Amino acid sequence: QVQLQESGPGQVKPSETLSLTCAVSGVSISSYSWSWIRQPPWKGLEWIGYISDSGSAKFNPSLNSRVTISADTSKNHLSLRLTSVTAADTAVYYCARYSGGPNQPFDYWGQGTPVTVSS
Amino acid sequence: DIVMTQSPDSLAVSLGERATINCKSSQSVLYTSNNKNFLAWYQHKPGQPPKLLISWASTRQSGVPDRFSGSGSGTDFTLTISSLQADDVAVYYCQQYYTTPSFGQGTKLEIK
Repeated sequence: QVQLQESGPGQVKPSETLSLTCAVSGVSISSYSWSWIRQPPWKGLEWIGYISDSGSAKFNPSLNSRVTISADTSKNHLSLRLTSVTAADTAVYYCARYSGGPNQPFDYWGQGTPVTVSS
Repeated sequence: DIVMTQSPDSLAVSLGERATINCKSSQSVLYTSNNKNFLAWYQHKPGQPPKLLISWASTRQSGVPDRFSGSGSGTDFTLTISSLQADDVAVYYCQQYYTTPSFGQGTKLEIK
């Protein structure tokens, strides 16, 4: 059974770096491509970026210069780093699995972890 | 970027009645070489992750009740719930995966 579980600090100060982890069980992360997606309060879903099964990554152009996504195959988890955060980065952050390659829908999602950017 | 626009933003339907949600993409998401529409529908309930209901515009995922159906091609798509159940109260999103993924703004479905 595939399961994803996000974890993170809950609150981050403006201008600091947000770091989140997604622990994956039931499947090897090197067998699929994975994304981070977020949902700001009272808004819709926004794709942040993905990392492929081969380790290549691509990001939403609106966040491109601030985002890093990495995969640790030894721990079977994914990481998201978002630098220079502002209040606009307050959101619930989800990790999700592509059902196949990057041009596929997301078939498994984590429960999401809320992040508030506030001093 | 492909912009996805859903209508309506919210919808109230009586139990047992039909619910219809529309989704329009700013450009075609039909890949002509394989005649597949790169369009998915998700159901999102509070406190839960989004659930994939339909992929390729009309393919129901395993375990999804057959009252859910998807239709459309190119730029115009529809999610239909043939007979609304109480458990269907949720926000529904369409998503294109033809290019970098983008989602509609969501449609909130409630019981009338």
